[in-house]
Amino acid sequence: DAKTTQPPSMDCAEGRAANLPCNHSTISGNEYVYWYRQIHSQGPQYIIHGLKNNETNEMASLIITEDRKSSTLILPHATLRDTAVYYCIVRLLASQTGANNLFFGTGTRLTVIP
Amino acid sequence: GAVVSQHPSWVICKSGTSVKIECRSLDFQATTMFWYRQFPKQSLMLMATSNEGSKATYEQGVEKDKFLINHASLTLSTLTVTSAHPEDSSFYICSARGRRLWDTQYFGPGTRLTVL
Repeated sequence: DAKTTQPPSMDCAEGRAANLPCNHSTISGNEYVYWYRQIHSQGPQYIIHGLKNNETNEMASLIITEDRKSSTLILPHATLRDTAVYYCIVRLLASQTGANNLFFGTGTRLTVIP
Repeated sequence: GAVVSQHPSWVICKSGTSVKIECRSLDFQATTMFWYRQFPKQSLMLMATSNEGSKATYEQGVEKDKFLINHASLTLSTLTVTSAHPEDSSFYICSARGRRLWDTQYFGPGTRLTVL
């Protein structure tokens, strides 16, 4: 699986958009970008994933650059409850590799400030 | 949908005893379950992968005789920490993937184990 690079920490004002970047310059053509977050002392929560098109769901938007070497997770209106560690993970689908494990890096610690 | 539960949420035990942690998929059938461990201020580390009805596959450095994993049904996996020692104190998290949930893993809330 391709390696990802994320800033260790970010702050965001409550109510503003939080833009979390992720670099994955060695991503291969059939690897997906997944985002999870982990609120303190809880299990990780799935947010969104995508291959090359931008994706949006009720939680967030995922913007993937045309060359797929980086992506940005956008929380449109950050709240205090969005304070968490956000993990960007690049991996193949289980159906393609037979494996299905997620390897977590160090992530970005997002702090939403009142 | 896609809810995973763990029990207990926290446990304190004496050194040398065994502790069992349950992981259940509440609204889907989990063909594959994963067990992770997380030490303070560190990221999640995969311990083992289990497929229903099969023996678990352990990551390098994880003792299979110490961390017993059973995945006897499509909704339940258990992790037993045998002869626990203080260095086994950690946050244990399970995750599950179902055959009808497109390749997404869903995580339980975690179990905090403290060994005295």
